[in-house]
Amino acid sequence: DVKVTQSSRYLVKRTGEKVFLECVQDMDHENMFWYRQDPGLGLRLIYFSYDVKMKEKGDIPEGYSVSREKKERFSLILESASTNQTSMYLCASSLISGGGRETQYFGPGTRLLVL
Amino acid sequence: AQKITQTQPGMFVQEKEAVTLDCTYDTSDQSYGLFWYKQPSSGEMIFLIYQGSYDEQNATEGRYSLNFQKARKSANLVISASQLGDSAMYFCAMIPSGGYNKLIFGAGTRLAVHP
Repeated sequence: DVKVTQSSRYLVKRTGEKVFLECVQDMDHENMFWYRQDPGLGLRLIYFSYDVKMKEKGDIPEGYSVSREKKERFSLILESASTNQTSMYLCASSLISGGGRETQYFGPGTRLLVL
Repeated sequence: AQKITQTQPGMFVQEKEAVTLDCTYDTSDQSYGLFWYKQPSSGEMIFLIYQGSYDEQNATEGRYSLNFQKARKSANLVISASQLGDSAMYFCAMIPSGGYNKLIFGAGTRLAVHP
């Protein structure tokens, strides 16, 4: 089975802190994604990566950065956390496929509260 | 703009009855993929079913079927014989053509199954 793990299920941080969210997948997937989920808005893509050291902005990249130094690990960084970044963060991975048939597999999510 | 619309914020159904969750999409692409995911209260996203834009048959996976009407751009999820464990958030999502398998999500529908 594909397994995607996230470093924390719950996290509480203070405004201005630097926050690292870690995601690891064990299925040798090329693609990795970071989403945030807010009520009534569904999931919105923050950043994604299709290869080591490669990254692309998603729909809402402002205030975030990412790092992918190894194929299995994709980190989301909040350089200076703000209260409007309080949210549920979901990591996902998938194989590369030209046909768009590849399912994304999700981690359990991290609920981040910024005070 | 590519978009997924789920017009039902909440639905309820009696146990053992069937329920349809609505999803419409907007894209000018000819090739695309449509997905449904389930999110229980635990937070993980569980893949349910996939439909490709060129698939002639409606997709089925056990008690889940996807009512795909291409001309109307709708991809409704039908759950037959509802169970209490089906109570969850359900998200419709689309992968447009192009690279990287980026998913576009709808806002979700919360389903409550009553005994």
